Amino acid sequence: EDKVVQSPLSLVVHEGDTVTLNCSYEVTNFRSLLWYKQEKKAPTFLFMLTSSGIEKKSGRLSSILDKKELFSILNITATQTGDSAVYLCAGTNAGGTSYGKLTFGQGTILTVHP
Amino acid sequence: GAVVSQHPSRVICKSGTSVKIECRSLDFQATTMFWYRQFPKQSLMLMATSNEGSKATYEQGVEKDKFLINHASLTLSTLTVTSAHPEDSSFYICSATRDRGYEQYFGPGTRLTVT
Repeated sequence: EDKVVQSPLSLVVHEGDTVTLNCSYEVTNFRSLLWYKQEKKAPTFLFMLTSSGIEKKSGRLSSILDKKELFSILNITATQTGDSAVYLCAGTNAGGTSYGKLTFGQGTILTVHP
Repeated sequence: GAVVSQHPSRVICKSGTSVKIECRSLDFQATTMFWYRQFPKQSLMLMATSNEGSKATYEQGVEKDKFLINHASLTLSTLTVTSAHPEDSSFYICSATRDRGYEQYFGPGTRLTVT
């Protein structure tokens, strides 16, 4: 059974801090690792990572995948209160009838205080 | 681009009634749509995968007769919760993808409360 584990489960920081969120995965026929940000409603897409060692960057957010260690991290620099949310990572299965299926981790609840 | 809508955003129904939730991809054709449910403080759990024009594939433990999924076109999938009970109360979210294996875009979700 596919499994994705995130850590820490929750994190409280102050504005300006840098945070690193972790995601480890065991996904059969792994294809890609996705990061989402979820506030009050449905998740919004942040990154999709398919290749090991190539950093993806969007503003203050960046992410990288290590396919050897089955691991990904999401970094947020100079955090702002608007970054407060649940961050979800998910692994994509590329095999057979499970093709495209996302297995989500439990999420990391990030709280940024002013 | 890649906007997914859901309707309704919130619904309250009585026990024993059926509720239909619509998921639409507004600016792209979605070959595949996925339906998830999310309980408070928990992550998203995949319920089923639907491909346009074919039967949905349900995850283990999800009753296909209770959660009817229809993917009638490349832009519309519906989830009908039949004979709803209070334990079906949850946040239901759909996602759509242009091609399986690529990024999924999520709808805003539907909060179902069964009284």
